[in-house]
Amino acid sequence: AQSVTQLDSHVSVSEGTPVLLRCNYSSSYSPSLFWYVQHPNKGLQLLLKYTSAATLVKGINGFEAEFKKSETSFHLTKPSAHMSDAAEYFCVVSDRDTGTASKLTFGTGTRLQVTL
Amino acid sequence: DGGITQSPKYLFRKEGQNVTLSCEQNLNHDAMYWYRQDPGQGLRLIYYSQIVNDFQKGDIAEGYSVSREKKESFPLTVTSAQKNPTAFYLCASSSRQKTGNTEAFFGQGTRLTVV
Repeated sequence: AQSVTQLDSHVSVSEGTPVLLRCNYSSSYSPSLFWYVQHPNKGLQLLLKYTSAATLVKGINGFEAEFKKSETSFHLTKPSAHMSDAAEYFCVVSDRDTGTASKLTFGTGTRLQVTL
Repeated sequence: DGGITQSPKYLFRKEGQNVTLSCEQNLNHDAMYWYRQDPGQGLRLIYYSQIVNDFQKGDIAEGYSVSREKKESFPLTVTSAQKNPTAFYLCASSSRQKTGNTEAFFGQGTRLTVV
């Protein structure tokens, strides 16, 4: 069975300061991991994904995440927050080799607030 | 532009009525999905379809029905049997791969409210 835990439901940072959104996962197999972003009343957009290649994954808009198997973590970071980063972020896990997206498990989300 | 189109964006339903949410994609993806999103609960899978004329129940299929008559279309009907239908509904699609996982591409969502 797979599961994902987003450790913070809400994170607030000042513009220009670093962002850290935490995610821990549990998986019976070598997982694929994703981060999605959702702006209010919008669909989800893929930020980045890990599928067993490099453990440090770079995504769009300056975000990156590091897969740490020993810690079962996949935290999302950004060196400098921008006002436009304010949104809800979802960590997603999937057991590998399913060939589809039908076995995605979503975290409960972290709302990022960016203040001036 | 390729993408997924959901309509309508907002939908109001009277109790006891069935309503159908539209989802169309022009990404040539084989698989399509319907998710329900409630505050603080993440996304939960309602139904998915890997190929035309075939679909599978997800984790919360009760009170919902779907059809997949065309590759591009995957409408969701919220029936009167769904006791708490007020939610944000998201449609997604993905390509089929032999191995490895593929990401899902999402529409902009439909917000359904029971009045």
